[in-house]
Amino acid sequence: GIQVEQSPPDLILQEGANSTLRCNFSDSVNNLQWFHQNPWGQLINLFYIPSGTKQNGRLSATTVATERYSLLYISSSQTTDSGVYFCAVGGGKLIFGQGTELSVKP
Amino acid sequence: NAGVMQNPRHLVRRRGQEARLRCSPMKGHSHVYWYRQLPEEGLKFMVYLQKENIIDESGMPKERFSAEFPKEGPSILRIQQVVRGDSAAYFCASSGDSSYNSPLHFGNGTRLTVT
Repeated sequence: GIQVEQSPPDLILQEGANSTLRCNFSDSVNNLQWFHQNPWGQLINLFYIPSGTKQNGRLSATTVATERYSLLYISSSQTTDSGVYFCAVGGGKLIFGQGTELSVKP
Repeated sequence: NAGVMQNPRHLVRRRGQEARLRCSPMKGHSHVYWYRQLPEEGLKFMVYLQKENIIDESGMPKERFSAEFPKEGPSILRIQQVVRGDSAAYFCASSGDSSYNSPLHFGNGTRLTVT
């Protein structure tokens, strides 16, 4: 099956800093999504991005499908950005990576 | 416009009892997915259903677990004779089309604790 690897596994930032999270996948996919799981456990869909670049406020994402990776950029981080960021790929069922746990300190 | 609704939010069962988890998809969505999240782990796919049909159950344990999505009413994930290892957060997601080409929207999950 498809393997999904996310890096880094953990990240600590000072408020206001920028960061880049990476997702590598082992096979071609027609669906890739990024999710944020907040400290209360809620899963929020950030981007549906099988290819190309999208932006939503301070967040943006880029997927290079031919090279099998996706990047999530967080600019001017805030404490409310803390939580775990998951990349999920596939078609039909989505396979999740292990996540990047982000902690933003005030 | 209500999102994906799961209930109960928390469920405590003793070993050997049955657990029933309910999921109402977003309005207009006919595709439902169940995922399980063990402590400190990512989300593992369990089953994908459309109305009255199981499309993919490759992630379901072979015994004690079943899922349905009837023509009327919510999707149900049923765990019979629960064991401590079933303690986890169970998330339901829905999409308006197959997740081949549409985003998934998750409910807030059901936290199952087996004592």
